[in-house]
Amino acid sequence: NAGVTQTPKFQVLKTGQSMTLQCAQDMNHEYMSWYRQDPGMGLRLIHYSVGAGITDQGEVPNGYNVSRSTTEDFPLRLLSAAPSQTSVYFCASSYSDRGTYEQYFGPGTRLTVT
Amino acid sequence: RKEVEQDPGPFNVPEGATVAFNCTYSNSASQSFFWYRQDCRKEPKLLMSVYSSGNEDGRFTAQLNRASQYISLLIRDSKLSDSATYLCVVPPYNQGGKLIFGQGTELSVKP
Repeated sequence: NAGVTQTPKFQVLKTGQSMTLQCAQDMNHEYMSWYRQDPGMGLRLIHYSVGAGITDQGEVPNGYNVSRSTTEDFPLRLLSAAPSQTSVYFCASSYSDRGTYEQYFGPGTRLTVT
Repeated sequence: RKEVEQDPGPFNVPEGATVAFNCTYSNSASQSFFWYRQDCRKEPKLLMSVYSSGNEDGRFTAQLNRASQYISLLIRDSKLSDSATYLCVVPPYNQGGKLIFGQGTELSVKP
């Protein structure tokens, strides 16, 4: 049971390049989310999914796309990288237990856009 | 008012001290609350869950005050290993996967 895995761990992009951050979970969790964390700002929700085929925007969705074709995978696509997207990205998954949701996080992807 | 606000910190305390952090939330419908611990920009890890009035786990006690809409985390007999950032997390009611994080409170425990 690997939990939540993310690849790559580190990435450097040039402005305008696109890429996909991968996230997978093997716990059969229905909910998955993407967050970014910037210094002094805590974690901010980018996109989330309540099940395969269903996604919704979070607090800071601009410049990012997601899809959820399977329960296990929730990739995050950067369409045209900008220096403002330099951040640490965390993927998380969770399940519902009587209306409560405990999230499990992946190790993060550290992205630098030059 | 932000949805979740925490004490700004940082807190610098000596070993053995008792320290408390506060977190206020704006959504009165929220039913569950979490404290996560984060070390050096690694992934956050669940420290405690709070579903009713409070929860206790060893040296850590979390209390919930629904009337005033705040959650507190008390750490007794602080250890050097408690140095970390503590994140208050409040899920909006019945919105699975959508957690709202506070900005975090940094704790540094000194010898």
